[in-house]
Amino acid sequence: GQSLEQPSEVTAVEGAIVQINCTYQTSGFYGLSWYQQHDGGAPTFLSYNALDGLEETGRFSSFLSRSDSYGYLLLQELQMKDSASYFCAVRVWMDSSYKLIFGSGTRLLVRP
Amino acid sequence: NAGVTQTPKFQVLKTGQSMTLQCAQDMNHNSMYWYRQDPGMGLRLIYYSASEGTTDKGEVPNGYNVSRLNKREFSLRLESAAPSQTSVYFCASRGIDPAGYNEQFFGPGTRLTVL
Repeated sequence: GQSLEQPSEVTAVEGAIVQINCTYQTSGFYGLSWYQQHDGGAPTFLSYNALDGLEETGRFSSFLSRSDSYGYLLLQELQMKDSASYFCAVRVWMDSSYKLIFGSGTRLLVRP
Repeated sequence: NAGVTQTPKFQVLKTGQSMTLQCAQDMNHNSMYWYRQDPGMGLRLIYYSASEGTTDKGEVPNGYNVSRLNKREFSLRLESAAPSQTSVYFCASRGIDPAGYNEQFFGPGTRLTVL
C-alpha cells in the first residue's frame, strides 16, 4: 500500500526557521511534492523533488532522499502569513497515469 | 485566465438527494482530478481523467460518478447522497506552471453537507 507520515502540528516564532518532515512508503514513486493550504482555501503548489538533494525557491526549500524514502520542507524567515497547513504528496505512476497521494498535513502556527 | 473554477461553493443536501458538482479549467490541460478532503486530513482521490474521453477510479470512488464532458469540463455526481459524503470537494487539473513544474492546480472547492 501507499502511506505518508508527517507531523500533525508545528509551532514556530516569526523570523525563525522550521522544518517539516515527510516519510513515505509507496510503489511507482516519481517524486515528492509540497502544497500549502490556508484555512478555507485551496491547496497551492510549493515545490517538487524528483531527484535527491535540495531545491530552493525563495524562502522555501525542499529536500529529498530517495534511498531513505524521506523528504522535508524548510521554511526560512517565517512570516505570520506562513501559518497554514502543509501537505507532502508523492507523485506515482499507477494505472497508466500520474497521481498524487497526499499526507494528512502539518498545521504550522507562526507566533509573533 | 480563471484557472480552475468550481460550482457551487456551498451546498446542503438531504440524505438520498442527488447533485452534480461542476468543474472547468481554461488552461488547456489534459488531466483532471476530483478529490475530497475531510477535516484534519489530506486529499483523497475520487476519480480522475487522464484525457478527454477517459475516466478512472481513484482511492474512494464508491457513491460517485464522473463525466468528462470535453477537455475543459469534468463533473462529479452524487446519485444518492449520504452523510458520510459530507466533505470539501476539490477539482484539479495538471499542467506546466511558469517555473516549468508539472503540477496540479486546484479549484476553490465545494463545501458539501449531507443531513
